[in-house]
Amino acid sequence: DSGVTQTPKHLITATGQRVTLRCSPRSGDLSVYWYQQSLDQGLQFLIQYYNGEERAKGNILERFSAQQFPDLHSELNLSSLELGDSALYFCASSVAGPSGANVLTFGAGSRLTVL
Amino acid sequence: QKEVEQDPGPLSVPEGAIVSLNCTYSNSAFQYFMWYRQYSRKGPELLMYTYSSGNKEDGRFTAQVDKSSKYISLFIRDSQPSDSATYLCASKDSSYKLIFGSGTRLLVRP
Repeated sequence: DSGVTQTPKHLITATGQRVTLRCSPRSGDLSVYWYQQSLDQGLQFLIQYYNGEERAKGNILERFSAQQFPDLHSELNLSSLELGDSALYFCASSVAGPSGANVLTFGAGSRLTVL
Repeated sequence: QKEVEQDPGPLSVPEGAIVSLNCTYSNSAFQYFMWYRQYSRKGPELLMYTYSSGNKEDGRFTAQVDKSSKYISLFIRDSQPSDSATYLCASKDSSYKLIFGSGTRLLVRP
């Protein structure tokens, strides 16, 4: 157990629907990262929060949004889902700010299937 | 062009072989370089990280960075079947973003 908790583990939904993925970071970690992993794209950086504030944005679609709450847990909202959104979504946390190696600890992932 | 490029493999070797895994990167601002290992259906876990150029050794694993050629390597000595996994290289500059390669799948045959 890495200490990063993601729910749900598996999710099957239909095109056009909206889902919310949840992440609790490791105790003491202030940064939360979201990554999408699909077979043909590898691990793609979506967005990152540090102590409640958005600090970096990657290839996140406008249909996707995220936030980090005061208790440091984070949610990734995916709306108007398309078949191509089917992927593993990973949350990772780290204790550090932007400087330094910023070692990430990953959760087990949420597998989203859009039918 | 992706910022971090990695051969997807698969790479198949016999048990006990020395494995060489490689990545190239394009961003000269990258200062930190990491290797993560990912078993099937699991989250990636950190193996090693290095700062700037040079070598770092940890047991059977050696990470090497050559900033002049923008080349990152991971060597695994005496490879074991339990090393079979996908290996992801990752790089970072002074910002928050950690950019991953697409991963190389390694299979160590008993």
